[in-house]
Amino acid sequence: KNQVEQSPQSLIILEGKNCTLQCNYTVSPFSNLRWYKQDTGRGPVSLTIMTFSENTKSNGRYTATLDADTKQSSLHITASQLSDSASYICVAGPNAGKSTFGDGTTLTVKP
Amino acid sequence: EAEVAQSPRYKITEKSQAVAFWCDPISGHATLYWYRQILGQGPELLVQFQDESVVDDSQLPKDRFSAERLKGVDSTLKIQPAELGDSAMYLCASSYRTSGSAGELFFGEGSRLTVL
Repeated sequence: KNQVEQSPQSLIILEGKNCTLQCNYTVSPFSNLRWYKQDTGRGPVSLTIMTFSENTKSNGRYTATLDADTKQSSLHITASQLSDSASYICVAGPNAGKSTFGDGTTLTVKP
Repeated sequence: EAEVAQSPRYKITEKSQAVAFWCDPISGHATLYWYRQILGQGPELLVQFQDESVVDDSQLPKDRFSAERLKGVDSTLKIQPAELGDSAMYLCASSYRTSGSAGELFFGEGSRLTVL
């Protein structure tokens, strides 16, 4: 069964600090990994999309890494802001439709 | 900036009633997806359309759920009769590229359903 596991389940950090969210996946077939940000009560917004041959991709203060050999990905957030408080969802699969979503990491940034 | 439009944003209904959700994807997006997201979990694909055709509805509970995209543009997801376990956020997403590609997904704001 395809699975995407994210850790930690929740995280609290102080504004201005950095943090790293983890994603382990067992998905087959696999060709791309995505990270989404979902504010409470809103739809997910795409942060990064990486194909299996890419190791890293950045989007502003967000940097995603991918190790397709160990089937691990991480999302690093630099200089966190209050607006970064959200759920971050990792998605892995062969394409947009056949992908498996993780349950997300809930990040709270406190002043 | 183009957006995926969904309505209603919130719906409260009693069990055994019928409920419908509407989605208008970004203009020109051929692929449309309906997801169900239970609180605290990730979205789960219910149905995927390529233009007006269903590509994947393997996870759609067909005894009570139906979805259509008659003209290959907007789409409706219906639940009849609603059950308590259907309480969730129903998300619509669209993609420019064909269903088998790694195209970016654009999500709507969702429709929050509460079944009493």
